[in-house]
Amino acid sequence: EVQLVQSGAEVKKPGESLRISCEASGYIFTTYWIGWVRQMPGKGLEWMGIIYPDDSDTIYNPSFQGQVTISADKSLNTAYLQWSSLKASDSAVYYCAKHGIPAAHFDSWGQGTLVTVSS
Amino acid sequence: IQLTQSPSSLSASVGDRVTITCRASQDISGYLAWYQQKRGKAPKVLIYKASTLQSGVPSRFSGSGFGTDFTLTIRSLQPEDLATYFCQQLHNYPHTFGQGTKLEI
Repeated sequence: EVQLVQSGAEVKKPGESLRISCEASGYIFTTYWIGWVRQMPGKGLEWMGIIYPDDSDTIYNPSFQGQVTISADKSLNTAYLQWSSLKASDSAVYYCAKHGIPAAHFDSWGQGTLVTVSS
Repeated sequence: IQLTQSPSSLSASVGDRVTITCRASQDISGYLAWYQQKRGKAPKVLIYKASTLQSGVPSRFSGSGFGTDFTLTIRSLQPEDLATYFCQQLHNYPHTFGQGTKLEI
């Protein structure tokens, strides 16, 4: 059974750094793209970007390029989303999700990580 | 690519047939997925490639369309279908989502 288990909720101050994680199991981690989706409070879904863990090839949404870094550690079957300097507007729930086959839809999702940025 | 869903919200009764539409700002062939998100939960894929039902999804859900106009149909609405529904285009990066349709029972 495919499982994506995300790290717990975070409360941070503006300007702080943060890395959240998504640990995958139940499939071959290196052979499926895995991505991140943002959902701001009461809003819709925003596709942030995806990474191919085998070679760390990464595709960003231009709206998020330079604002976040997506990475993966194939030895740990874990994908990451990180910020170097958080803003209040980064407060949201962040989901990781795995690509399906044959289309690039997200066929498995993590439970979500709530990030709250407040002074 | 922009995706516009309609309606933004709707109210329907158990047993009703419900249709949600998704219009793309350019031709995306059949590269569209539909997701269901229940309150406080992660989204779940229902349909991909416009009309292929994801394994385990009830057959009352169906999808159709090609090019720029797509529909998600729920035949015989059930109480557990209370959720927000999103479309997503898979044709060009970034794989944008529609704004969502909130379905009330």
